[in-house]
Amino acid sequence: AQSVTQPDIHITVSEGASLELRCNYSYGATPYLFWYVQSPGQGLQLLLKYFSGDTLVQGIKGFEAEFKRSQSSFNLRKPSVHWSDAAEYFCAVGVGSGDKLTFGTGTRLAVRP
Amino acid sequence: NAGVTQTPKFQVLKTGQSMTLQCAQDMNHNSMYWYRQDPGMGLRLIYYSASEGTTDKGEVPNGYNVSRLNKREFSLRLESAAPSQTSVYFCASETGAGANVLTFGAGSRLTVL
Repeated sequence: AQSVTQPDIHITVSEGASLELRCNYSYGATPYLFWYVQSPGQGLQLLLKYFSGDTLVQGIKGFEAEFKRSQSSFNLRKPSVHWSDAAEYFCAVGVGSGDKLTFGTGTRLAVRP
Repeated sequence: NAGVTQTPKFQVLKTGQSMTLQCAQDMNHNSMYWYRQDPGMGLRLIYYSASEGTTDKGEVPNGYNVSRLNKREFSLRLESAAPSQTSVYFCASETGAGANVLTFGAGSRLTVL
């Protein structure tokens, strides 16, 4: 079975600073990879996904993520954080059908003015 | 607005009471899911329905039942609520077979006293 690790529970960055959220997965083959964002009191919204091909994927709200097979990682990045990016971010791994989607435990991002 | 609608948004129950969480989607998706979200544990799958008329257990099904009433609606029932079922519940639907891309509702916060 696949697993997902988000090693950072909380991260605080200053507005305008760059951001990198870490995600590592364990699976025998290349899975589908996702980042979702959850704003306070809201459901999860898909930021970006990787299925195959170019290992650098662009998402909404200026986010990008890079798939590194050798490191089993799919880290999320943003060059300049805005106060509205404060939220919880979930990495997820899928292996074909929705019931096989595994979520990480989340990273809560705070943004300093 | 197209999407996933959950009701109620908030509910307080006493131990032993029953209730049903309702979920409806208007995107003509085949697959629907119920998750629970607990601090530090990410999202865990309770039940899912790959198509109208079928339901299957997820990771944490004990204490819950589901009904896929039609293609649009997927309800989650707690027959005898326990404090351990205090959580935030999310319904989601999947865009297409094997795509693993989920659209989430806004969540239902349930407290069992």
